[in-house]
Amino acid sequence: QSALTQPASVSGSPGQSITISCTGTSSDVGSYDLVSWYQQHPGKAPKLMIHEGSKRPSGVSDRFSGSKSGNTASLTISVLHTEDEADYYCCSYAANNILMFGGGTKLTVL
Amino acid sequence: QLQLQESGPGLVKPSETLSLTCIVSGDSISSSSYYWGWIRQPPGKGLEWIGSIYYRGDTHYTPSLKSRVTISVDTSKNQFSLKLNFLTAADTAVYYCARHYGNYWYFDLWGRGALVPVSS
Repeated sequence: QSALTQPASVSGSPGQSITISCTGTSSDVGSYDLVSWYQQHPGKAPKLMIHEGSKRPSGVSDRFSGSKSGNTASLTISVLHTEDEADYYCCSYAANNILMFGGGTKLTVL
Repeated sequence: QLQLQESGPGLVKPSETLSLTCIVSGDSISSSSYYWGWIRQPPGKGLEWIGSIYYRGDTHYTPSLKSRVTISVDTSKNQFSLKLNFLTAADTAVYYCARHYGNYWYFDLWGRGALVPVSS
């Protein structure tokens, strides 16, 4: 299996909204509602932001939302804050008890 | 409050075996809902899932590392471990342990990570 495909970078201004895509195949993203998203600040461990495609853990801001269309999952961050600047990774179940991560997207808040 | 803490060597040599342990505190590793996993991140690169284990010993591994990896669990010590053999410089990474929600395949709690350089 190949890693899921994410854009290398996205940017936005405070108050704007951005969307990060995560493209897989019909064998992973397209077949299961088991995509999760992680936020990682430099030098820190990843933090779960979205699970099962669109569910937010307790404590995660409702500015973060997840969705899916076909083989592509998306993470949308609305009303960007400067502290949202970080790397974001998607992850999907891929059958046969295997997990795959995307290559990561660097979000810059200008 | 559940915490995970990786422990292991600071440096390993090529061709040798990496051994890391994740100590779980604040809850039992024998929870029926969770697996316990290892993820690594080479410097400046993305995340890679290595594998996960259930408290009864059931394991799942990523195909690319399966021939070199062993994950084990010790419920009496509330910890689980990673062994990766035949190391090369490409195995240099920060190694994270994390709690993996079994049926839904996401990591909800992570350790702080342990940097393991592979160098002679």
